[in-house]
Amino acid sequence: SQTIHQWPATLVQPVGSPLSLECTVEGTSNPNLYWYRQAAGRGLQLLFYSVGIGQISSEVPQNLSASRPQDRQFILSSKKLLLSDSGFYLCAWSVPAGFQEKLFFGSGTQLSVL
Amino acid sequence: QKEVEQDPGPLSVPEGAIVSLNCTYSNSAFQYFMWYRQYSRKGPELLMYTYSSGNKEDGRFTAQVDKSSKYISLFIRDSQPSDSATYLCVPSGSARQLTFGSGTQLTVLP
Repeated sequence: SQTIHQWPATLVQPVGSPLSLECTVEGTSNPNLYWYRQAAGRGLQLLFYSVGIGQISSEVPQNLSASRPQDRQFILSSKKLLLSDSGFYLCAWSVPAGFQEKLFFGSGTQLSVL
Repeated sequence: QKEVEQDPGPLSVPEGAIVSLNCTYSNSAFQYFMWYRQYSRKGPELLMYTYSSGNKEDGRFTAQVDKSSKYISLFIRDSQPSDSATYLCVPSGSARQLTFGSGTQLTVLP
């Protein structure tokens, strides 16, 4: 069966510090990978998605970047965090299936930038 | 107009009640409809999906879609405290066009 691992679960970082969140998927090959952010009381905002190694699409211009160095590894990074980067970050994977694509989420990282 | 609108709640019901969660959408291109359940501080999990108007039942859960009125519902029968979570309505029109509603927060009181 497929599993997705995301870490850390909680992170507190000072403004201006770098960020690296990692996500790995097991039990599937060539998944689509996604990074979402969820602000308190709001819907999920798609940040990045990837259909293959080294292929990254950005949905929202921002202080963040993503990389996919291996087929089942997705990394979210920032060189200098802003207060506005605080939020709940979720990694997700899917099997490519057009409009019937279903996302499966990791457990999330609660990021607090102080 | 938002693409997906849900009543944010919070909604509190006694254990055993029938719960109705509702969602409207504006994009007629949406063809596939999903409900996700999200427990506090956890990632959303896929609960149900359907691609046609009408009802789909899975245990205590029934998803209902009315494409003509762009209205989606999720019914929970015999609600349990373990159903306490935020429910996200997610219509889909194409890959990467999943539009997440902000969710309805449900609390089932024992």
